[in-house]
Amino acid sequence: TQLLEQSPQFLSIQEGENLTVYCNSSSVFSSLQWYRQEPGEGPVLLVTVVTGGEVKKLKRLTFQFGDARKDSSLHITAAQPGDTGLYLCAGHMTTDSWGKLQFGAGTQVVVTP
Amino acid sequence: KAGVTQTPRYLIKTRGQQVTLSCSPISGHRSVSWYQQTPGQGLQFLFEYFSETQRNKGNFPGRFSGRQFSNSRSEMNVSTLELGDSALYLCASTRSSGNEQFFGPGTRLTVL
Repeated sequence: TQLLEQSPQFLSIQEGENLTVYCNSSSVFSSLQWYRQEPGEGPVLLVTVVTGGEVKKLKRLTFQFGDARKDSSLHITAAQPGDTGLYLCAGHMTTDSWGKLQFGAGTQVVVTP
Repeated sequence: KAGVTQTPRYLIKTRGQQVTLSCSPISGHRSVSWYQQTPGQGLQFLFEYFSETQRNKGNFPGRFSGRQFSNSRSEMNVSTLELGDSALYLCASTRSSGNEQFFGPGTRLTVL
């Protein structure tokens, strides 16, 4: 069982639509990161959130860290085909060093023109 | 600034053999972590090295081992390969004072 549960597992939308991906846990994380991964490549870091209740915006992407630091969400506004990829949430547990991340299973997002 | 590099990018081995994968972190990063990614299990933490010492270890059998050199480059070794070891092996580096990991492109290992 994974400490971080991502939902949905798969999301297929049309260009211009909005989408939200959720990442939930019963454990508290000292920080949480979102990555996007293309096939055959390593994950690319999108954002890090560290404060409960924190909201970060990266162009059309909005990231939120829950008040209790147990959950997070990623919202994409007006999705474009270039947003297609595997979105992964990953967290540092308070008892672990920064070099150890717990990953969710990922959400495969497909944006069609 | 160059990113994390991993060699080789692709590798094909047969059951029972052993394999060594290499990772060069971003310049100045002293922590190197290794992950295994499979379709069924997703990304799972293998181990982390910092200043040539293993700082964290995941739940993998002893066939999986690693080391780090004084220049922070790291290698991981898998002995007595099994079919289930087929995966994308990812390396990530972290600054000493940072909390963000930067990943390499991975090594795709296929065990026949």
